[in-house]
Amino acid sequence: GQQLNQSPQSMFIQEGEDVSMNCTSSSIFNTWLWYKQDPGEGPVLLIALYKAGELTSNGRLTAQFGITRKDSFLNISASIPSDVGIYFCAGSGGSNYKLTFGKGTLLTVNP
Amino acid sequence: DVKVTQSSRYLVKRTGEKVFLECVQDMDHENMFWYRQDPGLGLRLIYFSYDVKMKEKGDIPEGYSVSREKKERFSLILESASTNQTSMYLCASSSTVFPYEQYFGPGTRLTVT
Repeated sequence: GQQLNQSPQSMFIQEGEDVSMNCTSSSIFNTWLWYKQDPGEGPVLLIALYKAGELTSNGRLTAQFGITRKDSFLNISASIPSDVGIYFCAGSGGSNYKLTFGKGTLLTVNP
Repeated sequence: DVKVTQSSRYLVKRTGEKVFLECVQDMDHENMFWYRQDPGLGLRLIYFSYDVKMKEKGDIPEGYSVSREKKERFSLILESASTNQTSMYLCASSSTVFPYEQYFGPGTRLTVT
């Protein structure tokens, strides 16, 4: 089946630093989604990408859908303490509405 | 905004008990999903439903069943809870129309003792 490799597994950064994380797939995806999960809560959709090469921003967050359709990255600029949480990538391919999820990147921001 | 609610945030049950987890969505979505989330294993799909009374097994259906009698409601049932079912359970819903974005509920932290 499809697999997503998400890296890094965890990051410890200082407030104000920029962050970058990425996901790579063994298969082509038609949609890439990025979610954030706060401790004890459900994942919340941050950014959705629908086209190869697409670059989309949401405030300090920027995500890109890779040209090969097998990868995506998420950047967070000027991190703040409330950015702490787990960030997941997810992808769907073809007409299959099931998502494949990465295992997440745990972000810790030191004030 | 899409809203997905789950009946309980925290549950503590004893081994062998029958457990019901309920999920309700208000976006008229056809698809609904149940996942469990464990450290190091990420989100794993238990079951999903693409219409009322229709269901498909996910990656880890053993020990679980589901019920979908109304479009907005999807229930996960643990027939006889076991300690290895202690986990965070997440419900999600999506449309059947591209791009299939899934919206999650707040989760239920289930502890089986």
